[in-house]
Amino acid sequence: AQTVTQSQPEMSVQEAETVTLSCTYDTSESDYYLFWYKQPPSRQMILVIRQEAYKQQNATENRFSVNFQKAAKSFSLKISDSQLGDAAMYFCAYRPSNTGNQFYFGTGTSLTVIP
Amino acid sequence: KAGVTQTPRYLIKTRGQQVTLSCSPISGHRSVSWYQQTPGQGLQFLFEYFSETQRNKGNFPGRFSGRQFSNSRSEMNVSTLELGDSALYLCASSLRSAGEQYFGPGTRLTVT
Repeated sequence: AQTVTQSQPEMSVQEAETVTLSCTYDTSESDYYLFWYKQPPSRQMILVIRQEAYKQQNATENRFSVNFQKAAKSFSLKISDSQLGDAAMYFCAYRPSNTGNQFYFGTGTSLTVIP
Repeated sequence: KAGVTQTPRYLIKTRGQQVTLSCSPISGHRSVSWYQQTPGQGLQFLFEYFSETQRNKGNFPGRFSGRQFSNSRSEMNVSTLELGDSALYLCASSLRSAGEQYFGPGTRLTVT
């Protein structure tokens, strides 16, 4: 069974500092996709970053980057130069490559940014 | 381009009633997926529709059903509502099945 685990229910970071959110997943598939979504208090889920499992290079989107360790089944999100607008619930998600759009989500990490 | 829209945004129903939620995907998107979000269970996949056909279904009872119309708009129906059905129901659309998903704001359903 595919499961996604986010072991940090809550995290906090000082504005302008760097924070890393952890995510591990369990799968027997070799081809899949990983995502980080952000859900601000307004509740609209926003895609932050995605990673294809077949790519060794870690994905980067501006201040957001991932550390993808396929063998360890680990997919952490690093937020650099944290801003107040980064405060949100962050969800890690896994999608097998051959089952359409069935996503498996972690339980989320609530990120607080301290001014 | 307009985003994913969901109606209604808030709904209060009584146990035993049924409810229909609506989702309009981004123009051109043919895949619509539904998720239930609760504090206890997190985000759980309900089903995905692509070109009017159900492609995937999560582990939910038959009381939960859906459909998709030729214009890609989708509806989700829950019959015989239970207290545990209280949740935020999120809809997500993508250009194709197995594409990037864009989420709507959700419908907050409260069952009393």
